[in-house]
Amino acid sequence: AQSVSQHNHHVILSEAASLELGCNYSYGGTVNLFWYVQYPGQHLQLLLKYFSGDPLVKGIKGFEAEFIKSKFSFNLRKPSVQWSDTAEYFCAAFSGGYNKLIFGAGTRLAVHP
Amino acid sequence: NAGVTQTPKFRVLKTGQSMTLLCAQDMNHEYMYWYRQDPGMGLRLIHYSVGEGTTAKGEVPDGYNVSRLKKQNFLLGLESAAPSQTSVYFCASSATQRDTQYFGPGTRLTVL
Repeated sequence: AQSVSQHNHHVILSEAASLELGCNYSYGGTVNLFWYVQYPGQHLQLLLKYFSGDPLVKGIKGFEAEFIKSKFSFNLRKPSVQWSDTAEYFCAAFSGGYNKLIFGAGTRLAVHP
Repeated sequence: NAGVTQTPKFRVLKTGQSMTLLCAQDMNHEYMYWYRQDPGMGLRLIHYSVGEGTTAKGEVPDGYNVSRLKKQNFLLGLESAAPSQTSVYFCASSATQRDTQYFGPGTRLTVL
């Protein structure tokens, strides 16, 4: 079955540390990939997305993600996190064969000042 | 431009009661979705709609019904609530099936 796996359920960092959140999807073919963020008490917002072209995608608030087709991965990165990045991060993938957006279980990030 | 709105924000039900959650979008999107969010499980699709008058089952449709009588509205109904339906419910909409989904603020439902 199609699935999206996020390797870390909880991540704790200090401010200015670098961040990398892993995401792998299980299906081949053409996929559209997304990272959403959910700040405490708020709804999901789009951070960035990959449809085609340059596999290094830049999003809002200094986030970026790299699509590596051979590894079925779409990892999220930020060179220097801030306390305001404390949130839950969801990776999601849309496959034309399955015709639905599948979400990973999410990664809770806590950034300490 | 309100985007996607949901009512109510919070609700407490007793087992066996029924209720309807309302989702409205003002972006003229064709596609609308209902998800439930449970700890450690991400978002799971309950039902979705590809246009006015259409509905389809998602990953976890049992115990829920939906209707899309108007393009801008997507209603989620619980006919006989069960404690297993305690969750946070999110509505979303998108212009196309592959495109970015825009989410509402969520409804926190507790079933006692």
